[in-house]
Amino acid sequence: DSGVTQTPKHLITATGQRVTLRCSPRSGDLSVYWYQQSLDQGLQFLIQYYNGEERAKGNILERFSAQQFPDLHSELNLSSLELGDSALYFCASTRDGRDSYNEQFFGPGTRLTVL
Amino acid sequence: GEDVEQSLFLSVREGDSSVINCTYTDSSSTYLYWYKQEPGAGLQLLTYIFSNMDMKQDQRLTVLLNKKDKHLSLRIADTQTGDSAIYFCAESMKNNNDMRFGAGTRLTVKP
Repeated sequence: DSGVTQTPKHLITATGQRVTLRCSPRSGDLSVYWYQQSLDQGLQFLIQYYNGEERAKGNILERFSAQQFPDLHSELNLSSLELGDSALYFCASTRDGRDSYNEQFFGPGTRLTVL
Repeated sequence: GEDVEQSLFLSVREGDSSVINCTYTDSSSTYLYWYKQEPGAGLQLLTYIFSNMDMKQDQRLTVLLNKKDKHLSLRIADTQTGDSAIYFCAESMKNNNDMRFGAGTRLTVKP
């Protein structure tokens, strides 16, 4: 158990819909990362938040957005869903994620299926 | 396409050594990692190496880095059935944002 929790574990929805994935980082971790793991694209970094502010952006679509709240949990919002958005979405957290090495601890993931 | 490349499959017998290889393209990468993903679980960091190191050993795991060839390998000694998983190679810059992962190597350990 990494200490990072993600809900829900599974999510099935239809094309065009909007979903919200939730992540709670390890206690004391300030930085949260979101990743998408799909069969054709592998594991892709989406976005990072540090202490409530966006810190780095990866291959995140404009239909997707994220935020980190004052209690440091984070939500990833996926809208206008397409079949190709079906994937495992992972959240990871680190102590600070600034200019020093910090191990990323991964949550168990949310499996999104878009029908 | 991915910047980090790995072979997709590796099969070994229990007790043998496993060697998983990875090539990366960004010579300015500072950290290189090996993660393990078991079925239905998230990624677990196995080990990492700084780019100024050639080798790192941690119990049954040995990481070799050839910076000139941008080649990273993970050797698992005395491979056990519990080592069966997908192993991801990853690279990142100094502040470990924007980690770039390989596609993962599925290791199967046969009894």
